[in-house]
Amino acid sequence: AQKITQTQPGMFVQEKEAVTLDCTYDTSDQSYGLFWYKQPSSGEMIFLIYQGSYDEQNATEGRYSLNFQKARKSANLVISASQLGDSAMYFCAMRTGGYQKVTFGIGTKLQVIP
Amino acid sequence: GAVVSQHPSWVICKSGTSVKIECRSLDFQATTMFWYRQFPKQSLMLMATSNEGSKATYEQGVEKDKFLINHASLTLSTLTVTSAHPEDSSFYICSARVWTGERQPQHFGDGTRLSIL
Repeated sequence: AQKITQTQPGMFVQEKEAVTLDCTYDTSDQSYGLFWYKQPSSGEMIFLIYQGSYDEQNATEGRYSLNFQKARKSANLVISASQLGDSAMYFCAMRTGGYQKVTFGIGTKLQVIP
Repeated sequence: GAVVSQHPSWVICKSGTSVKIECRSLDFQATTMFWYRQFPKQSLMLMATSNEGSKATYEQGVEKDKFLINHASLTLSTLTVTSAHPEDSSFYICSARVWTGERQPQHFGDGTRLSIL
């Protein structure tokens, strides 16, 4: 069975500072994809970044980067230069099984402090 | 980029009413769409996988007769909550994926907040 674990229910970060949101996963599949989504209070799910299990380099998308440690089965999201608009819920997710089902973690609520 | 539209955004209705939620892929064809349910301060739980032209695949514990899914075209899937009761109040969100490779993420609609009185 696939499982995503996010152990930080809530995080605070000072504006302009960097923050790391933790995510560990468990799967027996050799091929899988890891995603991070942002969910503001309005509810929509915003795709941030993707890391494939066979990718040799860590994914980066603007201020977002993914610290992928395959042996440890971790895929932490790093947000650099935090902005007030980054305050939201952040979900780590994994897709396995022929690119179909996506399993989500319970999320981390990030609050950026001015 | 790919856009998924979900309608309505908010529904408030009386207990016993059936409610239909639409999920449309606006600029791509989606043979598969997914329906999730999210309770306050919780994660997204997959309810079912909607397959165009065939029956939906429901997750364990999800009542098929309660949550009717129809995927009549490559751009539209509907979720009908039949005879809704207060415990069905939740945030329902759909997603679809452009089938062009493993790196494509699921694109989500904006969700529907359902409140049953």
